Amino acid sequence: GNSVTQMEGPVTLSEEAFLTINCTYTATGYPSLFWYVQYPGEGLQLLLKATKADDKGSNKGFEATYRKETTSFHLEKGSVQVSDSAVYFCALSDGGATNKLIFGTGTLLAVQP
Amino acid sequence: GAVVSQHPSWVICKSGTSVKIECRSLDFQATTMFWYRQFPKQSLMLMATSNEGSKATYEQGVEKDKFLINHASLTLSTLTVTSAHPEDSSFYICSARDRRRSGNTIYFGEGSWLTVV
Repeated sequence: GNSVTQMEGPVTLSEEAFLTINCTYTATGYPSLFWYVQYPGEGLQLLLKATKADDKGSNKGFEATYRKETTSFHLEKGSVQVSDSAVYFCALSDGGATNKLIFGTGTLLAVQP
Repeated sequence: GAVVSQHPSWVICKSGTSVKIECRSLDFQATTMFWYRQFPKQSLMLMATSNEGSKATYEQGVEKDKFLINHASLTLSTLTVTSAHPEDSSFYICSARDRRRSGNTIYFGEGSWLTVV
């Protein structure tokens, strides 16, 4: 079945460091891929998405490219801020009738000043 | 923007009792809502898909009689954990799809912590 694997955390970085959170997926067909972020005490929010191969999703300085050949959707940011501290979830949707989302385990990012 | 609200944010109940969690879409109508649970350091696991006016569709391995889902209106879905036991302690999150928007525009609630003692 469809699944998402993302790197375990926590990831601890200093402010302005480069961030990469790896995400790979297994799916039949052509899923849409997402990154969600959960800030402390809040619900999940969509950070970015890509719906087809080679698409690049971007938002708030974060980017991720849909790589079909490596079945990956790694999240990157060139310079993290303390306010980026949160849990990041990679997810896919197979685009079926219900558009169910399948999530990875989440990666906690802690950015230190 | 669209907001999905869950209530309560956290609840403690005694073993054997039932507890209800509400999920409301505050400024849009949601024909479909989803219920997830999350164990510590694990992923969100989809429990069921709730469709307004019809029975919920449960994922494999989720007990229908234990996790009762009602989606009585376009803005409210409820999850009732019946005869709760300590192993039901978890973080429950709902999400709702905005029917006005095409594609996978889904908004999540803040989640509800359930502790069964």
